[in-house]
Amino acid sequence: EAGVVQSPRYKIIEKKQPVAFWCNPISGHNTLYWYLQNLGQGPELLIRYENEEAVDDSQLPKDRFSAERLKGVDSTLKIQPAELGDSAVYLCASSLGQGETEQFFGPGTRLTVL
Amino acid sequence: AQSVTQPDIHITVSEGASLELRCNYSYGATPYLFWYVQSPGQGLQLLLKYFSGDTLVQGIKGFEAEFKRSQSSFNLRKPSVHWSDAAEYFCAVAQGTGGFKTIFGAGTRLFVKA
Repeated sequence: EAGVVQSPRYKIIEKKQPVAFWCNPISGHNTLYWYLQNLGQGPELLIRYENEEAVDDSQLPKDRFSAERLKGVDSTLKIQPAELGDSAVYLCASSLGQGETEQFFGPGTRLTVL
Repeated sequence: AQSVTQPDIHITVSEGASLELRCNYSYGATPYLFWYVQSPGQGLQLLLKYFSGDTLVQGIKGFEAEFKRSQSSFNLRKPSVHWSDAAEYFCAVAQGTGGFKTIFGAGTRLFVKA
């Protein structure tokens, strides 16, 4: 069974530029999560989807961050414009659905903003 | 608000020695508790989880953890550490109805010396 796929694995951009990250969850997983992981910290939830609905986006900085999961499968997280403080690893995870707590994580995208 | 504390930023143990990683949580009800491991450049992998029942839970790779309600702790143990266990370990607590929000600790980096 294929795991959670994320691309790109690494991204280097200059500040004020836009950037997008893509995630394909495990087949059949209805719940998708985007996390932010700063160096030396644990992951922090940015947004959680149940199918195509964003059910928890309270921690998403909506002035510059946006996300979509149009067909309830893969998802894109965008930052526009990027700031120096956005340098971090962006993790995507998926789980079977509501009531299932075990999450499966992708390898992450390491973003460096110069 | 719920929180997770991992008191040790890093721990060094000799190969073959026993290991205990500490985790304390703050949560009003019986929590769902997890331990994840993250190797460099990788996503998080679930080691074990506790929902209810037997307070000593067994996980993968020879790890176990014990839930102690009176101490609000969920410490991870392994009787004999292997060099391949060197990684970052995250304790996490989940809450939710109709969907789960997982809070991660800051992590403990394990170094294994020969």
